Amino acid sequence: SQTIHQWPATLVQPVGSPLSLECTVEGTSNPNLYWYRQAAGRGLQLLFYSVGIGQISSEVPQNLSASRPQDRQFILSSKKLLLSDSGFYLCAWKPGGGADTQYFGPGTRLTVL
Amino acid sequence: AQSVTQLGSHVSVSEGALVLLRCNYSSSVPPYLFWYVQYPNQGLQLLLKYTSAATLVKGINGFEAEFKKSETSFHLTKPSAHMSDAAEYFCAVRPAGSNYKLTFGKGTLLTVNP
Repeated sequence: SQTIHQWPATLVQPVGSPLSLECTVEGTSNPNLYWYRQAAGRGLQLLFYSVGIGQISSEVPQNLSASRPQDRQFILSSKKLLLSDSGFYLCAWKPGGGADTQYFGPGTRLTVL
Repeated sequence: AQSVTQLGSHVSVSEGALVLLRCNYSSSVPPYLFWYVQYPNQGLQLLLKYTSAATLVKGINGFEAEFKKSETSFHLTKPSAHMSDAAEYFCAVRPAGSNYKLTFGKGTLLTVNP
């Protein structure tokens, strides 16, 4: 069966510090991968998605970036965090091809102080 | 562009009462529709999905939803609420033929009172 992992589970960082959040999927190959951010009262905002290694599509211009160095690894980064980057970050995966359901990881709670 | 609107950011029901969470969609092509549930500090879990088969879709934990094209709605219901149903619920849409992206509503927080 497939599983998705995210770490760390929680993170407190000062403004201006760098960020690296990691997501890995097990038990599948060539998944579509997604990063979402969830802020209070705003639902889920799609940040990035990837259909293959090195292929990243950005949905929202901001100071975040994403990379996919391996087939089942998806990384969210920032060089300098802003207060507004605080939120709950969720990684999701979907089988490639015509499958429709996205499966979510447990999330990372980021607080920028 | 596709979108979903969840009516009511917060719904409160008594244990044993009917749960009704509303979702209306906007899509220029036939949509695929989803309901997800999120418990505090956890990821989202799929409750059910509509992908152009039966219009009444049954999901996990006793939930079901009915696709009504004429009303552009996909409301989520459960006949009898349990305390364990307290969570946030998200409706999402993906246009048929679009392989990648879901668009989510802003969520409805369900509170169940004893």
